[in-house]
Amino acid sequence: AQKVTQAQTEISVVEKEDVTLDCVYETRDTTYYLFWYKQPPSGELVFLIRRNSFDEQNEISGRYSWNFQKSTSSFNFTITASQVVDSAVYFCALSEDETSYDKVIFGPGTSLSVIP
Amino acid sequence: DTAVSQTPKYLVTQMGNDKSIKCEQNLGHDTMYWYKQDSKKFLKIMFSYNNKELIINETVPNRFSPKSPDKAHLNLHINSLELGDSAVYFCASSHTGANQPQHFGDGTRLSIL
Repeated sequence: AQKVTQAQTEISVVEKEDVTLDCVYETRDTTYYLFWYKQPPSGELVFLIRRNSFDEQNEISGRYSWNFQKSTSSFNFTITASQVVDSAVYFCALSEDETSYDKVIFGPGTSLSVIP
Repeated sequence: DTAVSQTPKYLVTQMGNDKSIKCEQNLGHDTMYWYKQDSKKFLKIMFSYNNKELIINETVPNRFSPKSPDKAHLNLHINSLELGDSAVYFCASSHTGANQPQHFGDGTRLSIL
């Protein structure tokens, strides 16, 4: 069965520190997709990134970077030089390609607080 | 130019009442979803529709009935509201396919008195 674990419930960092949010997933499919979403205090959910199971290349977008490792079933998210605007709940999510009817399983979320 | 819009944003009502939440998307997506987010921020899929057809129904009580008049709309009607229904309900949409990111509405905060 699909499962997504985000072991860190809450993280606090001081502005300009780097922070890594962990995500570990379980799936039996060989083709699957991983996502990160951000939910700021205002409440909306914003898509950040998608990764395919067959593409392990890490990705960097500005201060954000993602490390996908199939060997450890992890898809971690690092924010470099954190800012107060990064304060949010971050969700890692998984969907499988085979008969999942586009169902996405969300992890429990990690609440990040960036202190000025 | 709102992409996924849901109304109302807030809904406060008494136990036992019936209420509806509306959702519309103008992104041309084929698939729409309803999620429930509880007080601990857990996000759980409730329903999914693809081209007006129900494809996911995650053991949600019968009191919850989604209706999709066309692929741009997915409304949620809730009968006989209970205290445990208090949550934030999110509508989302995407193109068809497990690899497609979902676009979310701003959520409807339902509070049962």
